[in-house]
Amino acid sequence: EVQLLESGGGLVQPGGSLRLSCVASGFTFNNYGMTWVRQAPGKGLEWVSAINDSGDSTRHADSVRGRFTIARDNSQNTLYLQMNSLSAEDTAVYYCAKTRGPGVIRVGLDVWGQGTTVTVSS
Amino acid sequence: DIQMTQSPSSLSASVGDRVTITCRASQGISNYLAWFQQKPGKAPKSLIYAASSLQSGVPSKFSGSGSGTDFTLTISSLQPEDFATYYCQQYNSYPLTFGPGTKVEI
Repeated sequence: EVQLLESGGGLVQPGGSLRLSCVASGFTFNNYGMTWVRQAPGKGLEWVSAINDSGDSTRHADSVRGRFTIARDNSQNTLYLQMNSLSAEDTAVYYCAKTRGPGVIRVGLDVWGQGTTVTVSS
Repeated sequence: DIQMTQSPSSLSASVGDRVTITCRASQGISNYLAWFQQKPGKAPKSLIYAASSLQSGVPSKFSGSGSGTDFTLTISSLQPEDFATYYCQQYNSYPLTFGPGTKVEI
């Protein structure tokens, strides 16, 4: 069974940092692109970051570019999101999601993790 | 950026009803369109990809159609477990963008 399990969320002060992890199982991790998508309380879904299968191509939404970094360790079947300079606007549930192929664009998402909650507050 | 709109934003329906949700892209995206279902407190679940392909394990009462800029999701016979919020998403180009969602209520 394909599974994604996020962790690393929590309460952080404005300006602080947090690193999210997403451990994958049930599929050949290094064959698929991965993404992070977030959902602020009571709001819709917002794409955050994407990475291809090998990890040498990454993209970020304008709202997080320069503050967030997506990375992966294919030897550990793990996806990461390093989040710096956090603000209240980053408060959300963060989901990792697997794509249907090695890339992200024109491939689509299929399996999602259960999410991890990030709260930015003093 | 490609903007995605959905209509209606919410709808009330009864068990057994046929429901149609519309999604429109601000520019052509071929068939690079997905639909997701989300229930309160849960992660989104993939229903449809490539505009009309059914995700494995999803019942055939869900169907999608469209190409270019206009797309629809149809639920042929609404069941209690189908009451949820539905999102469309384009994956033709970055940034990936989602519609604002359609809440299907009793």
